Amino acid sequence: QVQLQESGPGLLKPPETLSLTCSVSGDSIKTFLWSWIRQPPGKGLEWLGHIYSSGTTNYNSSLKSRTTLSMDTSKNQFSLKMTSLSVADTAVYYCARLVSSYGYFDYWGPGVMVTVSS
Amino acid sequence: SSELTQDPAVSVALGQTVRITCQGDSLRTYYTGWYQQKPGQAPLLVLYGYNNRPAGIPDRFSGSSSGDTASLIITGAQAEDEADYYCNSRDTSGTHYVFGPGTAVTVL
Repeated sequence: QVQLQESGPGLLKPPETLSLTCSVSGDSIKTFLWSWIRQPPGKGLEWLGHIYSSGTTNYNSSLKSRTTLSMDTSKNQFSLKMTSLSVADTAVYYCARLVSSYGYFDYWGPGVMVTVSS
Repeated sequence: SSELTQDPAVSVALGQTVRITCQGDSLRTYYTGWYQQKPGQAPLLVLYGYNNRPAGIPDRFSGSSSGDTASLIITGAQAEDEADYYCNSRDTSGTHYVFGPGTAVTVL
């Protein structure tokens, strides 16, 4: 059974940098693609980007300038870094496995709430 | 704004059938995923491709697609099906991924 778990700080101030890590068990991150998705309180889901084991990344165009994904295959983890945070970045951040052949996300972490407040 | 559109809310009587639709130009070309999200929980994949259920998803969940519209159909809705439902696909460029705004399903 594939399991994902996000970890990282829950409270940040503008314009700090967010760093989150997703730990994967039950599958090697050398397979599939691995994504970050966020959900502001009371709102819908927003795809942030994904990364493949080759290091290839793909980002949401609206956030590309502030977002960096990376991967540590030795730890079976992948990470999100988002710079210049504002209150609009307050959201639950999920990591998920992407099945690119069909374009769906089949396994999700429980999510981590990130609040950006001065 | 999302490239995919969904009705904000629908309601269904217990045991009846409800259709949740997702519309967008990219759906003419790319597959759709459907997710159920209950309060305080992560989204759960309930359907992918045209009509494929992951293991453990009840067979009352099914799907269809025609042109620019994909549908998630719940046949014989149960109280536990009350949730928000999101669709996703690639965008029209095929390089990025998008989600619909979600449909809140109420089981009466």
